[in-house]
Amino acid sequence: GAVVSQHPSWVICKSGTSVKIECRSLDFQATTMFWYRQFPKQSLMLMATSNEGSKATYEQGVEKDKFLINHASLTLSTLTVTSAHPEDSSFYICSAAGGNNSPLHFGNGTRLTVT
Amino acid sequence: GENVEQHPSTLSVQEGDSAVIKCTYSDSASNYFPWYKQELGKRPQLIIDIRSNVGEKKDQRIAVTLNKTAKHFSLHITETQPEDSAVYFCAANFGNQFYFGTGTSLTVIP
Repeated sequence: GAVVSQHPSWVICKSGTSVKIECRSLDFQATTMFWYRQFPKQSLMLMATSNEGSKATYEQGVEKDKFLINHASLTLSTLTVTSAHPEDSSFYICSAAGGNNSPLHFGNGTRLTVT
Repeated sequence: GENVEQHPSTLSVQEGDSAVIKCTYSDSASNYFPWYKQELGKRPQLIIDIRSNVGEKKDQRIAVTLNKTAKHFSLHITETQPEDSAVYFCAANFGNQFYFGTGTSLTVIP
């Protein structure tokens, strides 16, 4: 079946540094990928919708300059957390759709810890 | 870790009929089970959820049942309408993570 690969699965970084998270659709082309943030014991919070070849659409309250999203190909979207701070520590997860009426496939998520 | 399986992957029903989507999970420690609906090109939206201390929950035409012993939970949509056509996915919450099913594409035929 369709697989979405997300890397890294976990990362620890120091305050002020940037972290890039990759989301790849391994066996299908994804024109749209979604990036979520998850707080402990809470549901997913959609951060942005990544569209191949165009700018991402950010949800209200999400800083686009802090969370840079690039969707340069039909199989890869990246989320870069710039100048990370401890409050950015969270679980980030992507998902991708393979086409019309296709189930949404999620990556396994990235746990980011900023020290 | 947790493993969530969802069936069927596709489902077609006549308008007015009921639709049932089933999920199983592996870790008995999971205690929160949301269902999401995603329309084409739109973000997934939470439509109903249930916690492990409840066996059934209903919201208008949508209901969810949970069998903790068997570790399965189901989404029931009654009196389906064309606007119910979408992809639905279940999830199981364990610790700080959600584990999702692979989704069900529901088509309601007018």
